Amino acid sequence: GENVEQHPSTLSVQEGDSAVIKCTYSDSASNYFPWYKQELGKGPQLIIDIRSNVGEKKDQRIAVTLNKTAKHFSLHITETQPEDSAVYFCAASMNYGGSQGNLIFGKGTKLSVKP
Amino acid sequence: DTGVSQNPRHKITKRGQNVTFRCDPISEHNRLYWYRQTLGQGPEFLTYFQNEAQLEKSRLLSDRFSAERPKGSFSTLEIQRTEQGDSAMYLCASSAGTVNEKLFFGSGTQLSVL
Repeated sequence: GENVEQHPSTLSVQEGDSAVIKCTYSDSASNYFPWYKQELGKGPQLIIDIRSNVGEKKDQRIAVTLNKTAKHFSLHITETQPEDSAVYFCAASMNYGGSQGNLIFGKGTKLSVKP
Repeated sequence: DTGVSQNPRHKITKRGQNVTFRCDPISEHNRLYWYRQTLGQGPEFLTYFQNEAQLEKSRLLSDRFSAERPKGSFSTLEIQRTEQGDSAMYLCASSAGTVNEKLFFGSGTQLSVL
């Protein structure tokens, strides 16, 4: 089955710096790659996603890149702010019976942004 | 609040007791998912419904777990004869089930089995 590896497990940056989180997946059939942000005591919040027909997607300070050949995808956050501090999860899924919702998650990256 | 709603937020129970959680999805979302998350890990898929039909179950969903979505709206997840290993955050997510499906999660129910 699909396996998603996520690195690093913790990341500390200075406010204003960029942060990069990387994930690799094992199943070449995976074609949907969302990123979620989870704050303490809350559920995961979808922040950006990318599908396999696109190599890069950007939304304000957040961007995601996908390399299908190498089976890895990355989250880039620019101009980090203290409110970006949270645990970030990558995930992968394939279309199964019309659903993309059986997401395989990485173990998460705890991002700390120091003011 | 038009997001996914889960109740209760916290549940403490004794080993061997039964517990039931409720999830109210985003209005008009036809797909509803249950996930489980343990400390320091990412969420793990348990099961999902399209309307009232339960279409997929993970092998993580033992016989002690049962989920229902009787009218295709809210869903319940019941755990019978709880064990300490059941302690986790139980997350519900919903989606509109469109071609570009996106899952939106609730805040979860934190279960502690003593």
